[in-house]
Amino acid sequence: DGGITQSPKYLFRKEGQNVTLSCEQNLNHDAMYWYRQDPGQGLRLIYYSQIVNDFQKGDIAEGYSVSREKKESFPLTVTSAQKNPTAFYLCASLGRLQNEQFFGPGTRLTVL
Amino acid sequence: DAKTTQPPSMDCAEGRAANLPCNHSTISGNEYVYWYRQIHSQGPQYIIHGLKNNETNEMASLIITEDRKSSTLILPHATLRDTAVYYCIVRVANRDDKIIFGKGTRLHILP
Repeated sequence: DGGITQSPKYLFRKEGQNVTLSCEQNLNHDAMYWYRQDPGQGLRLIYYSQIVNDFQKGDIAEGYSVSREKKESFPLTVTSAQKNPTAFYLCASLGRLQNEQFFGPGTRLTVL
Repeated sequence: DAKTTQPPSMDCAEGRAANLPCNHSTISGNEYVYWYRQIHSQGPQYIIHGLKNNETNEMASLIITEDRKSSTLILPHATLRDTAVYYCIVRVANRDDKIIFGKGTRLHILP
């Protein structure tokens, strides 16, 4: 089945540790996105990538880093510089001639 | 910042039509209106989109005002499974640049 996978679904880390969230898609989409969602809030854009080896900051990029070495993969690293990393993280992709943005199931990160 | 404003929450009785409004007064001529919904703890799901004509699919109808400054998503016969957060966004179709979501409307379907 084509789609977007995020792993793991739940992730726990100690404060001060970097953590990397996985996002993989087999839809052959060029663009990929990372959003953060806090309880009762909407989605806020962290980073996005329109093509391999290129990415742009979204509205809340501070404390996060990404890479786009392969078309299928867009991992997000939550660094120790992110002050409030506990949140629900959503990855999405979009085909160049498509209208529908596809979302993964999300990863819920809890920093203890 | 999001270019849309939506009421934070709405209630609708089961079996009735749910009408969710969205204001997008600064929409550009080449921007479409898109609607997504997010069921609790899942990723958002695409519902429908349109430019200026009304649109209908198996999930919903989209009514866009003539001046394109607002729109309404209509769920014709709401069920309990339609309880979700509904997001209205505007963007240029067939482009893969920055896509911004607002806070959406939390729709409660009442039995």
